[in-house]
Amino acid sequence: EVQLVQSGAEVKKPGESLKISCKVSGYSFTSYWIGWVRQMPGKGLEWMGIIYPGDSDTTYSPPFQGQVTFSADKSINTAYLQWSRLRASDTAIYYCARRHEGTDTLDIWGQGTMVTVSS
Amino acid sequence: QSVLTQPPSVSAAPGQKVTISCSGTSSNIGNNYVSWYQQLPGTAPKLLIYEDYKRPSGIPDRFSGSKSATSATLGITGLQTGDEADYYCATWDDTLSAVMFGGGTNLTVL
Repeated sequence: EVQLVQSGAEVKKPGESLKISCKVSGYSFTSYWIGWVRQMPGKGLEWMGIIYPGDSDTTYSPPFQGQVTFSADKSINTAYLQWSRLRASDTAIYYCARRHEGTDTLDIWGQGTMVTVSS
Repeated sequence: QSVLTQPPSVSAAPGQKVTISCSGTSSNIGNNYVSWYQQLPGTAPKLLIYEDYKRPSGIPDRFSGSKSATSATLGITGLQTGDEADYYCATWDDTLSAVMFGGGTNLTVL
């Protein structure tokens, strides 16, 4: 069974750093792109970008370029989303999802990680 | 404000049919495949339709997708209370160089 299991909820202060994870199983981690999607409280979905774990190639959506960093560790089938300096506006649920081969579709989703940034 | 326009809400009675529209432009829907996602309350999104009209395995044929020019439509027949959710369309935008989601449509099954 294909699964993406994300790390647990985080509560952080503005200015702190954070790295959340997305561990995959049930398929070849290095053969599919992984996407990240933000959902701010009570709002819709926003595509942040994608990473190819095979070679760590990345594409960021322009609003997120320079604001976050995607990475992947092939040895443990895990993708990461990180911030160097959090802001209150980063408060949201973050989803990882597998990109369907050859398309921009996200076919299997993680359960989401709630990130709360508050002083 | 999204480049893909969806109605904020739709409603219909159990057993009836509903359609949800997604309007875009030649730089997105008009030139790329559309996907549709269902997000039940408090859960992660789930893929319903990809490549305009294809259904992943396990998605019942009550759900259908279509596209014409710069608009796409999600159809749901035989509505059930369990279909109450937010529905999002999505596609690549050539100008913005990113996948764009519609603003989402909340479905109420009365």
